[in-house]
Amino acid sequence: DTEVTQTPKHLVMGMTNKKSLKCEQHMGHRAMYWYKQKAKKPPELMFVYSYEKLSINESVPSRFSPECPNSSLLNLHLHALQPEDSALYLCASSQENLLAGEGAKNIQYFGAGTRLSVL
Amino acid sequence: AQSVTQPDIHITVSEGASLELRCNYSYGATPYLFWYVQSPGQGLQLLLKYFSGDTLVQGIKGFEAEFKRSQSSFNLRKPSVHWSDAAEYFCAVGDQGSYIPTFGRGTSLIVHP
Repeated sequence: DTEVTQTPKHLVMGMTNKKSLKCEQHMGHRAMYWYKQKAKKPPELMFVYSYEKLSINESVPSRFSPECPNSSLLNLHLHALQPEDSALYLCASSQENLLAGEGAKNIQYFGAGTRLSVL
Repeated sequence: AQSVTQPDIHITVSEGASLELRCNYSYGATPYLFWYVQSPGQGLQLLLKYFSGDTLVQGIKGFEAEFKRSQSSFNLRKPSVHWSDAAEYFCAVGDQGSYIPTFGRGTSLIVHP
């Protein structure tokens, strides 16, 4: 099983709403990632979790709040988003943190993404 | 910092024709190079990667790529394109400090029947 599952597939929310994106993998991977992808653009790294601890935050606004409650699950909590936050949000996982020396042996597996629209 | 350039925004080929997607990188040492594919409404799938060794890399779905240090290139090739290959293709680069890929802007492949 090399699947990363993201829910929901689509989400529409108002600027005052609070919602959460969920990502799950059962491959025993210890590193998980959130990316943001605008239309016709490459994915941009937002957060990296390694062994359930936040290791990278790419200067993401605080209205995005990640959470890794266990090694299989990664959440992205959303609050007071802006219309420009509308995008495809991708989750990925890898066996180990790609920052580590053994990173060459690992590849990222991506989920299908959550398409978020902020009205 | 490393960077990668995909000079072609769109490429159109006929089904059955050969394909080459261009990728140029900027990095002082030996980079780690990747090609990903993203079908409409889907996440990214790794096609192949190069870290060291043989400069001709075989990937999934019949794709291959060749690392050419003298040209700072890592072009993706396929001898015969299928309609299902229509997708967005991303070249990406990592380095020894981080294997997290930095993505190029992508090339959209259109396949005509």
